[in-house]
Amino acid sequence: AQRVTQPEKLLSVFKGAPVELKCNYSYSGSPELFWYVQYSRQRLQLLLRHISRESIKGFTADLNKGETSFHLKKPFAQEEDSAMYYCALSFPSYNFNKFYFGSGTKLNVKP
Amino acid sequence: SQTIHQWPATLVQPVGSPLSLECTVEGTSNPNLYWYRQAAGRGLQLLFYSVGIGQISSEVPQNLSASRPQDRQFILSSKKLLLSDSGFYLCAWRWGGMDTGELFFGEGSRLTVL
Repeated sequence: AQRVTQPEKLLSVFKGAPVELKCNYSYSGSPELFWYVQYSRQRLQLLLRHISRESIKGFTADLNKGETSFHLKKPFAQEEDSAMYYCALSFPSYNFNKFYFGSGTKLNVKP
Repeated sequence: SQTIHQWPATLVQPVGSPLSLECTVEGTSNPNLYWYRQAAGRGLQLLFYSVGIGQISSEVPQNLSASRPQDRQFILSSKKLLLSDSGFYLCAWRWGGMDTGELFFGEGSRLTVL
């Protein structure tokens, strides 16, 4: 079952433009949602999580339970934001938390 | 501080040969451990996870197996590799016993089966 869907494989924007990376999930309970980022030649790392309600590197993401979405947004994209972004869902299963990832969106910020 | 290491970083193997990828976590005890495969356009596929020594759960049927001989060691294996096993394999850990928490990833191991 496809639990996390990222419809865009590639998103290209110009520097200074707003950016929105879409993420939809399917889960009937109360999952925890994350955004992970992978910069060129670096390991996959956490960008933000919905329970923290933080803004990291200018990015924010709001969990919309009605639309089952967790879109990642930034008002003014920077060239250093170019990377691969993965949306992830976690839910408890017995004494363990499973993590499921979307197929990823490559963000290309052009100068 | 906690660290996670994977090796080898790159591996080229012929079809039918065995495989062993190793992952070690330092600076923590009783972590939850995960193996993922990262394929272009398909994202990260959860392969195996473990909550303790000798406790392995498989997420999808496949040609691979996993073992956890020690608390902080997680091994991905195959007796006979297939072409379709080629990919980028990621090991990850998180704090065990917590309701929430992020995953921490290793550098990854790129496997090419010829």
